[in-house]
Amino acid sequence: DAGVIQSPRHEVTEMGQEVTLRCKPISGHDYLFWYRQTMMRGLELLIYFNNNVPIDDSGMPEDRFSAKMPNASFSTLKIQPSEPRDSAVYFCASSLGGGVYEQYFGPGTRLTVT
Amino acid sequence: RKEVEQDPGPFNVPEGATVAFNCTYSNSASQSFFWYRQDCRKEPKLLMSVYSSGNEDGRFTAQLNRASQYISLLIRDSKLSDSATYLCVVADTGRRALTFGSGTRLQVQP
Repeated sequence: DAGVIQSPRHEVTEMGQEVTLRCKPISGHDYLFWYRQTMMRGLELLIYFNNNVPIDDSGMPEDRFSAKMPNASFSTLKIQPSEPRDSAVYFCASSLGGGVYEQYFGPGTRLTVT
Repeated sequence: RKEVEQDPGPFNVPEGATVAFNCTYSNSASQSFFWYRQDCRKEPKLLMSVYSSGNEDGRFTAQLNRASQYISLLIRDSKLSDSATYLCVVADTGRRALTFGSGTRLQVQP
């Protein structure tokens, strides 16, 4: 298996632009997680899905952030409009059975908003 | 107060040394515990789970003290390749999500 796949790996955009991050989880995994990592705040859970249904989005910072999972093999995290404080590394992770089991992380998307 | 607290380090140790990291968690409902390792500019990867009875994997030993809400990781005979950030992680079974500590950075020097 190729593992969790994320695209793009790097994104540089200007403030106010829409940003879409993409994730393909490991085939057969029923949980998908989106995290954000910054030096100041560490690794934060933004939202997670179980069987394509959003379960907990309490970590989503504000209405500018939205996430979807239209099918078991694809998820997106969208920021509209983007702001410089959104600059971070965004990780997608998947697991079989939820957070009590091993989560497999993708390589991350490094987002820079200028 | 953070849900999972770790000493950020860095811990600078010579090759062959034994080093220990500690972590405390605030949610007494936490049911599962892990140590993840994150190399510079890479994604986190599971190092080991932490069981109530303690567990060992080669040079790595993890301990859990539920009464004190405390987790530890011991690395014996440190290698240069052990240099990384070690993340203490707890899982709330009900929420089925992981909470990560901010990590402890280890630098093993020749």
